[in-house]
Amino acid sequence: AQKITQTQPGMFVQEKEAVTLDCTYDTSDPSYGLFWYKQPSSGEMIFLIYQGSYDQQNATEGRYSLNFQKARKSANLVISASQLGDSAMYFCAMRPPSGYSTLTFGKGTMLLVSP
Amino acid sequence: NAGVTQTPKFQVLKTGQSMTLQCAQDMNHNSMYWYRQDPGMGLRLIYYSASEGTTDKGEVPNGYNVSRLNKREFSLRLESAAPSQTSVYFCASTGTANSPLHFGNGTRLTVT
Repeated sequence: AQKITQTQPGMFVQEKEAVTLDCTYDTSDPSYGLFWYKQPSSGEMIFLIYQGSYDQQNATEGRYSLNFQKARKSANLVISASQLGDSAMYFCAMRPPSGYSTLTFGKGTMLLVSP
Repeated sequence: NAGVTQTPKFQVLKTGQSMTLQCAQDMNHNSMYWYRQDPGMGLRLIYYSASEGTTDKGEVPNGYNVSRLNKREFSLRLESAAPSQTSVYFCASTGTANSPLHFGNGTRLTVT
């Protein structure tokens, strides 16, 4: 079974600084996918970034990048130049190799960005 | 472009009452999912439907039933609501395994 661990219940960062949100995972499958979602206080789930286990390069999407260290089974989200609107709950999730996206989610990290 | 639409947005039930949460997507996705979100627990999969005509249990299926009515619609039914089912429920869909899940805006359910 897959397991996702987010060890930081809460993180604080000042506006314009970079922040790293940790995510480690546990799987014995060689093929899997890793996702990050953002959930603002309004409640919707917003997809941010995806990394496949066989991807050679770390994924990037605008100010979001994924620090993927396969041997350490970690997939940390890096947000550069934080903005006030980045304040939200962030979830790391993993897809097994079954062919269906039955994502397993971590418990989340609450990020607060201060002016 | 509506995406994934869930109804209702809020619902209060008494213990033992039944209700159906509705979900529809207009993205022609094959797979649909129901998750529940509880404080400090992340999102947990209740049921999913990999394609029209199939449904499978997820991590926490007890107390729920689902129906994949057609390719667009996937409903979640609580036959006899319990306080432990107080939660926020999310429906999601996706077209392929490597694609992200697209989520509805959630249904906040309270069972008293």
